[in-house]
Amino acid sequence: DVKVTQSSRYLVKRTGEKVFLECVQDMDHENMFWYRQDPGLGLRLIYFSYDVKMKEKGDIPEGYSVSREKKERFSLILESASTNQTSMYLCASSYLPGQAYEQYFGPGTRLTVT
Amino acid sequence: KQEVTQIPAALSVPEGENLVLNCSFTDSAIYNLQWFRQDPGKGLTSLLLIQSSQREQTSGRLNASLDKSSGRSTLYIAASQPGDSATYLCAVAGYSGGGADGLTFGKGTHLIIQP
Repeated sequence: DVKVTQSSRYLVKRTGEKVFLECVQDMDHENMFWYRQDPGLGLRLIYFSYDVKMKEKGDIPEGYSVSREKKERFSLILESASTNQTSMYLCASSYLPGQAYEQYFGPGTRLTVT
Repeated sequence: KQEVTQIPAALSVPEGENLVLNCSFTDSAIYNLQWFRQDPGKGLTSLLLIQSSQREQTSGRLNASLDKSSGRSTLYIAASQPGDSATYLCAVAGYSGGGADGLTFGKGTHLIIQP
């Protein structure tokens, strides 16, 4: 079974803090993704990565950055956390297109910024 | 920009009924379409994936169809059970310069199956 793990299920941070959300997958997937989920807005793509050290902006990249130093690990960074970044953050991974390209999701991290 | 709409937003039916969840998308240039299930406070579980060249996929009591030209997909659940209660999400993968893109999601259908 594909396993996508996220470093924390719940996280509480203060405004202005630098926050790291970590995601690890064990299926040697090339693609990794970060989404956030908010009531009434649904899931929205923040950033994704096709390969190590590569990144692409999604629909809502403002206020976020990402890092992919190893194939299995994709980090989402909030440079200076703000209250409007309180949300559920979901990581996903997949093979490259041309294969099944099915996305597998982690359990999510519920981040509260106070 | 791709937009995905799911109808209805919420549905409550008695156990044993067959039901249909609807999904529509505005841009037919999709790579594939995926149906997910989400339980409260949890991550997403993939139910079915339909490639853009396919018309339908089946898994157990679930059947998903895709009509790419009209921008529609349906998820059919047969003989519903209380354990099917969850939020069902439809998502499409588009294209970017290097290949398929991230997913664009609908806002989901919140399903309650009454015992």
